Amino acid sequence: RKEVEQDPGPFNVPEGATVAFNCTYSNSASQSFFWYRQDCRKEPKLLMSVYSSGNEDGRFTAQLNRASQYISLLIRDSKLSDSATYLCVSEMDSSYKLIFGSGTRLLVRP
Amino acid sequence: DVKVTQSSRYLVKRTGEKVFLECVQDMDHENMFWYRQDPGLGLRLIYFSYDVKMKEKGDIPEGYSVSREKKERFSLILESASTNQTSMYLCASSLQDMGSYEQYFGPGTRLTVT
Repeated sequence: RKEVEQDPGPFNVPEGATVAFNCTYSNSASQSFFWYRQDCRKEPKLLMSVYSSGNEDGRFTAQLNRASQYISLLIRDSKLSDSATYLCVSEMDSSYKLIFGSGTRLLVRP
Repeated sequence: DVKVTQSSRYLVKRTGEKVFLECVQDMDHENMFWYRQDPGLGLRLIYFSYDVKMKEKGDIPEGYSVSREKKERFSLILESASTNQTSMYLCASSLQDMGSYEQYFGPGTRLTVT
């Protein structure tokens, strides 16, 4: 079983739609979680951190459910520019190392 | 603004060649990492370093070695390149700050071994 699992998608949605991704993690000791965004043929970049109380940044909301060991990313009012792969990430045992999911691909169409 | 640079964007090498991938960061980060990224497998950690001359194996170190002689530079070495090492290689760096695990990535090197 992968330590961080995501639905690879693609999620194909129209502009203006709300879309949500889930991600599950296996290490119950993980404390910190993140969503990274990766554009085609580019490097991953931090989108937002997810802490125990969740996090909201504009159109993006990330939630953490420790009991079920999953995190989610909600994107409201999707833009064409949101098209990318979203990587779910957890830290590993407070070691500075990160564990990356394989990514969920989002396509926003006009 | 953090900047992580990698020596090449694209590289083509022959089987058996020794390959050097260089990574430099300009933000005085203590931690540096090498990953490879393959379709469907995500990013997998090859090696990482917490300090100069210090290295630790990641999840897939076989066939690779690293060198960190200076804080800003972390090199990945393929001693004898093989076709199954064809991949995208990403370098990253981060601070040693338990309040922040953010890793900053370089643009990647797409290596093809023929």
